[in-house]
Amino acid sequence: AQSVSQHNHHVILSEAASLELGCNYSYGGTVNLFWYVQYPGQHLQLLLKYFSGDPLVKGIKGFEAEFIKSKFSFNLRKPSVQWSDTAEYFCAVKENTGKLIFGQGTTLQVKP
Amino acid sequence: ETGVTQSPTHLIKTRGQQVTLRCSSQSGHNTVSWYQQALGQGPQFIFQYYREEENGRGNFPPRFSGLQFPNYSSELNVNALELDDSALYLCASSLDAGWETQYFGPGTRLLVL
Repeated sequence: AQSVSQHNHHVILSEAASLELGCNYSYGGTVNLFWYVQYPGQHLQLLLKYFSGDPLVKGIKGFEAEFIKSKFSFNLRKPSVQWSDTAEYFCAVKENTGKLIFGQGTTLQVKP
Repeated sequence: ETGVTQSPTHLIKTRGQQVTLRCSSQSGHNTVSWYQQALGQGPQFIFQYYREEENGRGNFPPRFSGLQFPNYSSELNVNALELDDSALYLCASSLDAGWETQYFGPGTRLLVL
């Protein structure tokens, strides 16, 4: 069965620190890749997505992610985090059936 | 805001009861997907409806069923509730089945006692 693995379950950073959240998936076929963010008390929001083309994709709020097909990875990065980035981050993989498979999530806590 | 709404926001039921959760998709979105998010976990795919027909199902028993209506609303029904059904239930709408991006509603938090 296809699966998505997020390596970091809980990350604590100080403001201005750099962020990298790991995501690996197991599906070998064509996939679309997503990062969703869930701020405290809010619904899941799309942060960025990769469908095809340039493997380095830029999203909202200064986030970016790199798709490395050979490593089945889609890691999320941000050069300098802010307190407002405190949230839960989910990596997800979508097959052509439309089924979204989510990772377990990473809780990011940014200390002011 | 994604334009996807869900009701109710919170619900408390007892074991064995039945529950209906509702979702209103973005206008023009032909596909709705439902997910269960247990505490501390990522959302798990329950099923997807495309143009009022079930279009894929995850590892959930038949007591989880759904309906999609022509007016972009949909329902998730759960019969014979179990304690483990306590979770946040999310619906997500998309323009079409397949590759399109899914936009999530705020969810309904269900507590089964």
